[in-house]
Amino acid sequence: KNEVEQSPQNLTAQEGEFITINCSYSVGISALHWLQQHPGGGIVSLFMLSSGKKKHGRLIATINIQEKHSSLHITASHPRDSAVYICAVSISNFGNEKLTFGTGTRLTIIP
Amino acid sequence: EPEVTQTPSHQVTQMGQEVILRCVPISNHLYFYWYRQILGQKVEFLVSFYNNEISEKSEIFDDQFSVERPDGSNFTLKIRSTKLEDSAMYFCASSRAENQPQHFGDGTRLSIL
Repeated sequence: KNEVEQSPQNLTAQEGEFITINCSYSVGISALHWLQQHPGGGIVSLFMLSSGKKKHGRLIATINIQEKHSSLHITASHPRDSAVYICAVSISNFGNEKLTFGTGTRLTIIP
Repeated sequence: EPEVTQTPSHQVTQMGQEVILRCVPISNHLYFYWYRQILGQKVEFLVSFYNNEISEKSEIFDDQFSVERPDGSNFTLKIRSTKLEDSAMYFCASSRAENQPQHFGDGTRLSIL
């Protein structure tokens, strides 16, 4: 059974700050996912990665497979980045790639 | 951009009643999932569905739960006799293939009274 741990649980920062959220998992995976959950509850997939690094706008996700660790970075943070960021992992198994979720990091960016 | 749509957005039901949560996945997607999130807790996997059958279900997905894809577009989750502890946000997700991101609906908030 894969355990997914995130840190910190809560993070408050000033607008413009560089943000880092960490995720670690316990067993081998096919992919790691970073998701954003809005205050209304909807979930949006930000990244899916199995190695290296991906960048989309001000968001960067990295993964170290050997250390079973991933980070999500936000550069030049903005109040609209305030949301819950969730790390999840998946293992491909024919017909199934269920996600195992972390508890999420609640990010608040203060103007 | 295509979306996963879920209806209703909020469902209030008396304990013991049956409830059906509906999802329309993205049209060319082949893999379908239901997840749930109890208030204040993490999202949990319920069931995955591929090639018109369940590919995996969690311990939560007991005999009270069932899923169907009746017409090639809708994907439904039925809870036969709801309990108070079924109160949660239920998310449908779909993906085009393995190793592709899952796309989530906005969820259905189920409240059992």
